[in-house]
Amino acid sequence: DTAVSQTPKYLVTQMGNDKSIKCEQNLGHDTMYWYKQDSKKFLKIMFSYNNKELIINETVPNRFSPKSPDKAHLNLHINSLELGDSAVYFCASSQDGRGKFTRGTQYFGPGTRLLVL
Amino acid sequence: AQSVTQPDIHITVSEGASLELRCNYSYGATPYLFWYVQSPGQGLQLLLKYFSGDTLVQGIKGFEAEFKRSQSSFNLRKPSVHWSDAAEYFCAVVPPGSQGNLIFGKGTKLSVKP
Repeated sequence: DTAVSQTPKYLVTQMGNDKSIKCEQNLGHDTMYWYKQDSKKFLKIMFSYNNKELIINETVPNRFSPKSPDKAHLNLHINSLELGDSAVYFCASSQDGRGKFTRGTQYFGPGTRLLVL
Repeated sequence: AQSVTQPDIHITVSEGASLELRCNYSYGATPYLFWYVQSPGQGLQLLLKYFSGDTLVQGIKGFEAEFKRSQSSFNLRKPSVHWSDAAEYFCAVVPPGSQGNLIFGKGTKLSVKP
């Protein structure tokens, strides 16, 4: 059983398009995250949700909008894609309490490789 | 500035040799510490973590890491490297008082010579 899954695995699209990446976790965790890994392999947090509520929103363009229909899912929608959005996007989840200094280990999905042409 | 530093961008070791990957952090208090591994084209897999207690932590795949408060370090070690260990290794922290997001180092690429 896949603990954290992402679809699609690869996404090739044209500039200006709108696309979504889906993430699901079956670990029963209450916190989910999106990270971006750039071409130099640097990983940076984008968002985190705890029980469907936005907790972290780093300096990310408004074109990126996370959506959490329930605590097992955190989807990432990207409007008006730009060349610089090309990256690998990782979803992760952990078991944390709201407002606590978390010590929940984060488990990562396999990544979605986005290429904007 | 608060940060996580992996000083070595690329390390090459011979199969069977020992390995040490360095990680230093700069935070006012001790963060939670992690090592993740990313094989080519794959996601991130947790190798080990340190929250408190015994400063020598055992992980999966024969890896261990030692937390040294005086040096603000959390170096990853393996006594005998296998060819399958070739991958990118990331040190990461959850900073004290944060909302729980991981702050990653820039990674160390490990190559293994036959």
